[in-house]
Amino acid sequence: GAVVSQHPSRVICKSGTSVKIECRSLDFQATTMFWYRQFPKQSLMLMATSNEGSKATYEQGVEKDKFLINHASLTLSTLTVTSAHPEDSSFYICSATPTGIGAKNIQYFGAGTRLSVL
Amino acid sequence: DAKTTQPTSMDCAEGRAANLPCNHSTISGNEYVYWYRQIHSQGPQYIIHGLKNNETNEMASLIITEDRKSSTLILPHATLRDTAVYYCIAVWASNFGNEKLTFGTGTRLTIIP
Repeated sequence: GAVVSQHPSRVICKSGTSVKIECRSLDFQATTMFWYRQFPKQSLMLMATSNEGSKATYEQGVEKDKFLINHASLTLSTLTVTSAHPEDSSFYICSATPTGIGAKNIQYFGAGTRLSVL
Repeated sequence: DAKTTQPTSMDCAEGRAANLPCNHSTISGNEYVYWYRQIHSQGPQYIIHGLKNNETNEMASLIITEDRKSSTLILPHATLRDTAVYYCIAVWASNFGNEKLTFGTGTRLTIIP
């Protein structure tokens, strides 16, 4: 149980285009999902907290107009990198946590999306 | 959330127990200790968590000192597949389970054949 699917696993795009990444919780509902970014040889950095039915909460320094997050259902959150540039090339990872009374705050992670912007 | 400190890297022989330490001297009474690991180019994986009692599951054991200022993750019989970066994170666990995690640099564990 507790599987999170992230798609696509790898994407290569031209500078200036937009890329959408999907994150799905397959066997549980997630009121909250998280989006991270990881540059080579660095740790994960939280970008934003995605809340179902409301606006995402972005971490300091993350441009909300560039990284659009939509959490339209209890099992799906999407991250759209708009007008991507080479410096946006990174490993993007989502996570979801089963929420509700008695939840244990365990985050289950997707396999990640490697974005390369040419 | 309390800051955690881990060694940058460790080696362990295959088949032996891997003991990964973590210091969290400023941890507060309602903060749990969570352990995750990240195998190269994959998403992190939850391992175990605890508040003050020692915990064990199918993956590992977590030993928390009585003063809660440090903990040790134990992989009882390390295999090559346990080679990964291990993260120790202190975080307040709300009843609704939606607290964000702050990943530090972790410990890069290498299992030696």
